[in-house]
Amino acid sequence: KNEVEQSPQNLTAQEGEFITINCSYSVGISALHWLQQHPGGGIVSLFMLSSGKKKHGRLIATINIQEKHSSLHITASHPRDSAVYICAVKYRGSEKLVFGKGTKLTVNP
Amino acid sequence: DAGITQSPRYKITETGRQVTLMCHQTWSHSYMFWYRQDLGHGLRLIYYSAAADITDKGEVPDGYVVSRSKTENFPLTLESATRSQTSVYFCASSEQEDYGYTFGSGTRLTVV
Repeated sequence: KNEVEQSPQNLTAQEGEFITINCSYSVGISALHWLQQHPGGGIVSLFMLSSGKKKHGRLIATINIQEKHSSLHITASHPRDSAVYICAVKYRGSEKLVFGKGTKLTVNP
Repeated sequence: DAGITQSPRYKITETGRQVTLMCHQTWSHSYMFWYRQDLGHGLRLIYYSAAADITDKGEVPDGYVVSRSKTENFPLTLESATRSQTSVYFCASSEQEDYGYTFGSGTRLTVV
């Protein structure tokens, strides 16, 4: 079964800390997405990647195809980074995304 | 305004009523999707469409109907609403199969 596992499920950090959220998947993919959802808010696409690494501001996403693993890093975390971060993958041959259950991040001032 | 728009933002309806959630995108993206989001389940695909007049079932299609007569619109209809359909519904679009996704702001539906 094609699943997406995220860890941790919940994460609490102090402002300024370096954050890592992990995502594992089971078989070959054509793309992996990282999404952000603020409480009560809409869903924003942060990254789409199929290899290597992407950076946008304080956010960095990496993917290791051999290990079937991706990480989302947040440097110098801030309370406004508090949100649910969702990993989603598109398996080869499928038109659909498979979503992880999300990681709830709380950054305290 | 450019973008992907869902309406209404909030809806309360009674069990057994028909209700339609609207989704409109201004980019002429080929792919459009409907998801529901529930605590403990994350996002689950209801229906998707690869182009006008082409729709297909997702993970949880029962009790829902979609149509796509025009590229820019992808309405989702609950034929006879049930309490289990209380959820937050998100519409999304993507230009092509392996492109990024853009999500609407969501519709919070409560069935009483």
